[in-house]
Amino acid sequence: GAVVSQHPSWVICKSGTSVKIECRSLDFQATTMFWYRQFPKQSLMLMATSNEGSKATYEQGVEKDKFLINHASLTLSTLTVTSAHPEDSSFYICSARSRLGDSPLHFGNGTRLTVT
Amino acid sequence: QQQVKQSPQSLIVQKGGISIINCAYENTAFDYFPWYQQFPGKGPALLIAIRPDVSEKKEGRFTISFNKSAKQFSLHIMDSQPGDSATYFCAAKVGSGTYKYIFGTGTRLKVLA
Repeated sequence: GAVVSQHPSWVICKSGTSVKIECRSLDFQATTMFWYRQFPKQSLMLMATSNEGSKATYEQGVEKDKFLINHASLTLSTLTVTSAHPEDSSFYICSARSRLGDSPLHFGNGTRLTVT
Repeated sequence: QQQVKQSPQSLIVQKGGISIINCAYENTAFDYFPWYQQFPGKGPALLIAIRPDVSEKKEGRFTISFNKSAKQFSLHIMDSQPGDSATYFCAAKVGSGTYKYIFGTGTRLKVLA
């Protein structure tokens, strides 16, 4: 159980275009999902906390207009990288935790974004 | 105070040996301490976790030791195998209704065959 599915696993886009990444909790409901960014050989940097039915909470330094987060249901959150630039190329990972009980955080398999 | 300090940055262990990774924290509000294993190109996978009211937890070859007074916790991998070669992250959770996970900087483990 506790599977988090992230799609796509990799994407290449041209500079100036937008890319949407989906994160789904397959077998549990998640009122909260988290979006992380990871640079090569570095730790996970929390970008924002996605709350079902309300606005996302962004970490300091993360542009909310650049990284649009929508959490429309208890099983789906999306991250849209708008007007992507080469410096946005990175590994983006979502995670979710069941709303039931005191359960751990589970991660998707990440999305490798390359902006050309 | 929101940091979790992890060491070493990298670790090389012989097959069959014990791998030990350490983490330390300052914030006493942290209430849950998981360890994650990450292979290249994949998301982190939960390995084992502990609460601060427990001093040790063992699952198979993986053991967490927790020292609440010293604000330190460590992961021990017994009988390390080449398949254990990965990056390991410790983490700490703070908050309940509104919560957040803080991650350590990661340890790249290589187990030699």
